[in-house]
Amino acid sequence: QVQLQESGPGLVKPSETLSLTCTVSGASIKSSYWTWIRQPPGEGLEYVGYIYHTGITNYNPSLKGRATISLDTSKSQFSLKLSSVTAADTAVYYCSGEPRLLDIWGQGTMVTVAS
Amino acid sequence: DVVMTQSPLSLPVTLGQPASISCRSSQILVYSDGNIYLNWFQQRPGQSPRRLIYKVSNRDSGVPDRFSGSGSGTDFTLKISRVEAEDVGLYYCMQGTHWPFTFGPGTKVDIK
Repeated sequence: QVQLQESGPGLVKPSETLSLTCTVSGASIKSSYWTWIRQPPGEGLEYVGYIYHTGITNYNPSLKGRATISLDTSKSQFSLKLSSVTAADTAVYYCSGEPRLLDIWGQGTMVTVAS
Repeated sequence: DVVMTQSPLSLPVTLGQPASISCRSSQILVYSDGNIYLNWFQQRPGQSPRRLIYKVSNRDSGVPDRFSGSGSGTDFTLKISRVEAEDVGLYYCMQGTHWPFTFGPGTKVDIK
């Protein structure tokens, strides 16, 4: 059974970089695409971006080049960095699987941007 | 971006009665591989989303058969044949055909 687990700081200061990691268990991280999605409090769901095991990435243009997703196959992890954060980046961040299908989800991690 | 609209946004239902949620996309959702990447998700209070239906009408393993999906073109529907208490939550449609992939605003299902 494939499981995803997000981890990272729950509080980030404005203008700094948000960094999150998703650990994959029960499947090879080399077998698929991996996705980040976020959900601001009380709001809907928004794609951040995804990465293929070859390293190919795709990001939501709404993030204006601030997002970077990377892969660490030795640790079976993929990561998200979001630079120059503002209060608008406050959200629950979820890691997920294949971006067209989102068959599996992590439990999510809340990140608050505040000084 | 493809805009996904859902109606209604709030759906109070009586236990044991049917429920239906409509989802409309601003563009046709047929991908170059011939698939229609229209999926439905349930998000119970305090939980992460869970996929119920993928590619319009395919029910996920473990999803009760009272849930069904249908549709074509730009109009899609999620139906619950007989609502149970555990079905309370938010329901989202999502398109995975045109990047950036997008979600509908969500439909809140609760019990009357």
